[in-house]
Amino acid sequence: GEDVEQSLFLSVREGDSSVINCTYTDSSSTYLYWYKQEPGAGLQLLTYIFSNMDMKQDQRLTVLLNKKDKHLSLRIADTQTGDSAIYFCAETVYGNKLVFGAGTILRVKS
Amino acid sequence: DADVTQTPRNRITKTGKRIMLECSQTKGHDRMYWYRQDPGLGLQLIYYSFDVKDINKGEISDGYSVSRQAQAKFSLSLESAIPNQTALYFCATSDLPRKTGTVREGEQFFGPGTRLTVL
Repeated sequence: GEDVEQSLFLSVREGDSSVINCTYTDSSSTYLYWYKQEPGAGLQLLTYIFSNMDMKQDQRLTVLLNKKDKHLSLRIADTQTGDSAIYFCAETVYGNKLVFGAGTILRVKS
Repeated sequence: DADVTQTPRNRITKTGKRIMLECSQTKGHDRMYWYRQDPGLGLQLIYYSFDVKDINKGEISDGYSVSRQAQAKFSLSLESAIPNQTALYFCATSDLPRKTGTVREGEQFFGPGTRLTVL
């Protein structure tokens, strides 16, 4: 079945880079997503990558996709305190459904 | 105004009570979803609806029911609430995948969540 795994917690200092990792199982996923959840709020789409891409860069965010290993990562450069949140990796499965990982809590220390 | 709204935002109830959580959207999307979020477990899909006449069970539908009253409204009911249904509940919507690529397959838009506590 589908399964998405992430590490549960990451702590970094302000100004450092953060790397959040994810593994997924459905090799037919067309898109892979990173969602961000700030305290007390719903999830918002942060970035995504199409499955035929290896890398996508969007300002401070870099997404790397290794299809062979079914590994996805999100790198946040120059991490700020406002980046503190829970980050969810998600893969698409048949029928427009998303399967989410458990979420990685990113804590940024000033 | 928010595109996806949920009511109530917070609810405390007792075991055995019937509870309804409501979701409304102004995005014009056909597809709507209900998830629950528990710490360390991420989001688990309860029910989803691809249009008004199409309702499907998700991973954890036991103890829940849904009603799609209109394209814009999708409500979740707990027929007889129990304490392990204490969680944060999210509604989400998505549009049909389009070949132009302007709508990304699977992209979902979330409501702000309803925090439900069952005592």
